[in-house]
Amino acid sequence: QVQLVQSGSELKKPGASVKVSCKASGYTFISYAMNWVRQAPGQGLEWMGWINTKTGNPTYAQGFTGRFVFSLDTSVSTAYLQISSLKAEDTAVYYCARDGGSGAYFNYWGQGTLVTVSS
Amino acid sequence: QTVVTQEPSLTVSPGGTVTLTCASSTGAVTSGYYPTWFQQKPGQAPRALIYTTSNKHSWTPARFSGSLLGGKAALTLSGVQPEDEAEYYCLLYCGGDWVFGGGTKLTVL
Repeated sequence: QVQLVQSGSELKKPGASVKVSCKASGYTFISYAMNWVRQAPGQGLEWMGWINTKTGNPTYAQGFTGRFVFSLDTSVSTAYLQISSLKAEDTAVYYCARDGGSGAYFNYWGQGTLVTVSS
Repeated sequence: QTVVTQEPSLTVSPGGTVTLTCASSTGAVTSGYYPTWFQQKPGQAPRALIYTTSNKHSWTPARFSGSLLGGKAALTLSGVQPEDEAEYYCLLYCGGDWVFGGGTKLTVL
């Protein structure tokens, strides 16, 4: 069965960097695109962008350029989200979400990774 | 940037029927927006319910259905169960970007 398992919670100081992983299993990793979604505490969902798992080409949503980087390691079926120069407002749960093909998107979700930025 | 609007909150009685809607600031929602619906319970990841307007996943309970209604995407719950109390989000594909609605908090009371 399809599973997306994300790395554990992180506590970081402002200005630091964090790298969140999303390990996929149960399917051929490069067959489906991977999205990243942010949810700030008590807030709604926000699409951050997606990465083409065949080519590694990332696309970033407005507001997620510059400090945010999507990457892959296809040898271990894992997608990564790296955030640099962390700010308090980056405190959120970050989700990876896999597309499904045939007009189905964001079918499968990781469990989420809480990133807390605090001095 | 497109704004996607949902009802902030709705209340329904157990066994009742409720319709949640999803509107785009750019105009009428069509299937070309690939309307997608998710359910999220506290402390959990979102779960996909409906894709491309009205298609259900294998895990989607039969009481959930999707449609287009009056220029909006709609999610209808028929025969609501207590476990349907949750936040519901719609998602639209708008000119190359995906945009989530603000969510509807559904209370079953």
